[in-house]
Amino acid sequence: DTAVSQTPKYLVTQMGNDKSIKCEQNLGHDTMYWYKQDSKKFLKIMFSYNNKELIINETVPNRFSPKSPDKAHLNLHINSLELGDSAVYFCASSLLAGANNNEQFFGPGTRLTVL
Amino acid sequence: SQKIEQNSEALNIQEGKTATLTCNYTNYSPAYLQWYRQDPGRGPVFLLLIRENEKEKRKERLKVTFDTTLKQSLFHITASQPADSATYLCALENTDKLIFGTGTRLQVFP
Repeated sequence: DTAVSQTPKYLVTQMGNDKSIKCEQNLGHDTMYWYKQDSKKFLKIMFSYNNKELIINETVPNRFSPKSPDKAHLNLHINSLELGDSAVYFCASSLLAGANNNEQFFGPGTRLTVL
Repeated sequence: SQKIEQNSEALNIQEGKTATLTCNYTNYSPAYLQWYRQDPGRGPVFLLLIRENEKEKRKERLKVTFDTTLKQSLFHITASQPADSATYLCALENTDKLIFGTGTRLQVFP
């Protein structure tokens, strides 16, 4: 019944490794997002996909690569992990994209710790 | 520069009172503004959306106001309960993205 799910919930890894976080939504939404919430609780958008197409790409290092195999899934792959990548990553979805002022549904988050 | 400011200090109130949280913004012209609730270890949950042409929106014990002249939104919880304790985030629309404030932690004491 979970609307937006993410795996894993916790991820602890060494600097330099490559890791992926997966997200799935069963709400039938067209748009999905990745957000990063840092230690100061600041929630910042990273990427957004609408119907598998990238529509928002914030100033994010190109070590971060999102992939949307279909509109229900949006995965985030991170190469060469750095200490500063430690944060909680949230996936979210909404029925429509952008200026249609619709609410976003967030997943439970993935806490990434880079050692 | 563009800023969204919410009280970084926690707001502590007694059960039954009205909690009022503030969201101020600078150098944005949002078409709408949203409020979310976030509990520890969980993702934000949508509460209310208010558009620029709406002065006030209500949902049960929640009320949001939006003053585009003052560049401010107020979020009220009436008859507050300990279960309302959480962090409340405001988010405003900017070029098709949601920009979040850092949130205000509300603690309601019995």
